Amino acid sequence: RKEVEQDPGPFNVPEGATVAFNCTYSNSASQSFFWYRQDCRKEPKLLMSVYSSGNEDGRFTAQLNRASQYISLLIRDSKLSDSATYLCVVNRGSGNTPLVFGKGTRLSVIA
Amino acid sequence: DTGVSQNPRHKITKRGQNVTFRCDPISEHNRLYWYRQTLGQGPEFLTYFQNEAQLEKSRLLSDRFSAERPKGSFSTLEIQRTEQGDSAMYLCASSFGPGQSNEKLFFGSGTQLSVL
Repeated sequence: RKEVEQDPGPFNVPEGATVAFNCTYSNSASQSFFWYRQDCRKEPKLLMSVYSSGNEDGRFTAQLNRASQYISLLIRDSKLSDSATYLCVVNRGSGNTPLVFGKGTRLSVIA
Repeated sequence: DTGVSQNPRHKITKRGQNVTFRCDPISEHNRLYWYRQTLGQGPEFLTYFQNEAQLEKSRLLSDRFSAERPKGSFSTLEIQRTEQGDSAMYLCASSFGPGQSNEKLFFGSGTQLSVL
C-alpha cells in the first residue's frame, strides 16, 4: 500500500461549485498533515495545515479522520484561480522523518 | 527575496556527465531537504539535513548521488555519471524542524535536469 494515496483526477468543475478531495495515508503513527498546492511548472506551496479538530481558511476547509486515516480538503465557491494540483502531505511519525507527498489531485475550474 | 533559492534553473547534460545543483535555504531554517519530481508524480524524498548533519537518505538515492551541506547553510546535490532516468525536477526545501508548526516546507523553484 502506498504511503499516501490520492485520486489523481482531473476534477473539472464549473466556477462557483464546491469540490472535495480525499487522501488516505498508511502510517498510523503519522502526526503532521498538510495540503500543498502546485501550479503547472511551479514549485509546491503550502495551502494549509490539517489539524485534528478540522480547520478552515476562507473558502478552504481541511479535516482529518485519524481512525480511518484519511484527510479531506473542501473548496467552496471555486474560482478559476483555484485550478492547480493539490498535494496531500503526511509525515511518517516522529518529527525526525521527512514529509511524504501524494501524487496530487488535479483540479480544473471552468468558466 | 529571502525565500529558497536554487541554481541553475535548467540543466541539459549528456548521459555519463556529472552535474551539481546548489540550494540556498531560508536563513533561519535548520532543515534542508532534496526532493525529485517527475511529470504526473508528487515530489519524492531524496535526503535531508539538520544543520550540517545528513539525517536520512532515501533508497531512491543510488551511490551516484551525493549531497552535502558543509556549513549548515547552502547545500549541493551532485549526480555522477548521469543516466536518462535521472531527468526530473530537483526540488530543494527548507523548514525550521520537527513539529506540526515547524515542519512546513518552503520550496525553491527547482532545477529541471534533462539528460540526453
